[in-house]
Formats: sequence, structure tokens, C-alpha cells
Amino acid sequence: QQPVQSPQAVILREGEDAVINCSSSKALYSVHWYRQKHGEAPIFLMILLKGGEQKGHDKISASFNEKKQQSSLYLTASQLSYSGTYFCGTESSGGSYIPTFGRGTSLIVHP
Amino acid sequence: DSGVTQTPKHLITATGQRVTLRCSPRSGDLSVYWYQQSLDQGLQFLIQYYNGEERAKGNILERFSAQQFPDLHSELNLSSLELGDSALYFCASSVRTSGGTNEQFFGPGTRLTVL
Repeated sequence: QQPVQSPQAVILREGEDAVINCSSSKALYSVHWYRQKHGEAPIFLMILLKGGEQKGHDKISASFNEKKQQSSLYLTASQLSYSGTYFCGTESSGGSYIPTFGRGTSLIVHP
Repeated sequence: DSGVTQTPKHLITATGQRVTLRCSPRSGDLSVYWYQQSLDQGLQFLIQYYNGEERAKGNILERFSAQQFPDLHSELNLSSLELGDSALYFCASSVRTSGGTNEQFFGPGTRLTVL
């Protein structure tokens, strides 16, 4: 079952912060985050495994609340290069290790 | 550059036709996944192959088929094409992480337009 992402779109100015949420109705084993520029391939950002671990990559970090079956992606002090569509992909506990992707959140960062 | 290659980059064809999309995974990766991405849709998983064998099936239509060859490249065959098949088709290969999950590396995609 496809995870639900919110919001659908975010428009920011450079330097502002954003949070993108991903929630599932199933018990999750892991959450994947990818960013895709228009017409390009999705690029891997990070994977979070169940255990509530928070990961970070430069000014992009994420958390995973396995009890709530939710993950959030935090973009701090947004840069122009952060613009794109962010997808979360979820793997269910006892599943096939193939992520099911949400519909994406479009992020636009203006100067 | 993810190391995954896909050809062709663009494909324009007519309804009812058949096309073949090709993918080569990263060196050393045994798994190949195929995804379809339409407008307003996320990435829809179609099928996975692992070392030549079909491993998992997603929302793949009966008109679509795939295979993985001994050299590990994969082909996705789409037949009796319909307007609604117009989409970006991505191939990905993966590496198993220490946590037991799969980090996926996507190819540049093939944009299929059915007229």
C-alpha cells in the first residue's frame, strides 16, 4: 500500500526550513528518501531502519517513528539545489525489501 | 552518474506497437528493478529480477514482460501499446545494506511517448 506524503508541495525562499512527512498504514521495517529533479533519475538520500534512528546528510536529516509508522524529512536552511520532488519509499516488516513509493512532495526554493 | 545505464533515452511510437527497453545494472549488482512513473504518480514498481530469475512482481500489466540475461542486463518488453502507457520507465539496481535493506540506484530512465 502506497505511503502518504504531505504536503504535496512546498515553496520556500533560500535559507528557510521545510519538513516533509511520510506515513503508512502498515508496520514498517525501513523508510527510504529520494530526491528527483525534473526529467532525471531519483537520487538516493538516506535509509532509516526501524529503531527510531535519526540520520543526517549535510543539512538534510530524517527521523523514523516506527510506532506511528511515520517518517519526516527535515531540510534546514534550504539551498536552491534542494529544489525537486522528494519521494519516500517504505518497506513493510516481513516484506520483500522492495520499497513502495509515495506520490512525492514538490519542493521549490526561490532565491 | 549512478552506474546504471538505460537505452534508449526517448522512444516515440504508435498505439498497438511493441517496444523494448534495455537496462544494464551497476557492475557487481545482481538485482534489477523496473519502475513506471506517469504524470502525477509516484514510482510504480513493475518487476524485479535477481541473477536471471524473476524475484518479485508489482503492478505489471500482462502486456508487459521482462527478462534478465546471463550478463545481467535486463529488457522490459511493452506490447499492444496504449496512450496510457506513456511514461518514464526507470531501471534500478541495488546493494544490500548492513541493515538488511536495499539501497537502490536508478538509471537515467527511458521516456516513452505513445501517439
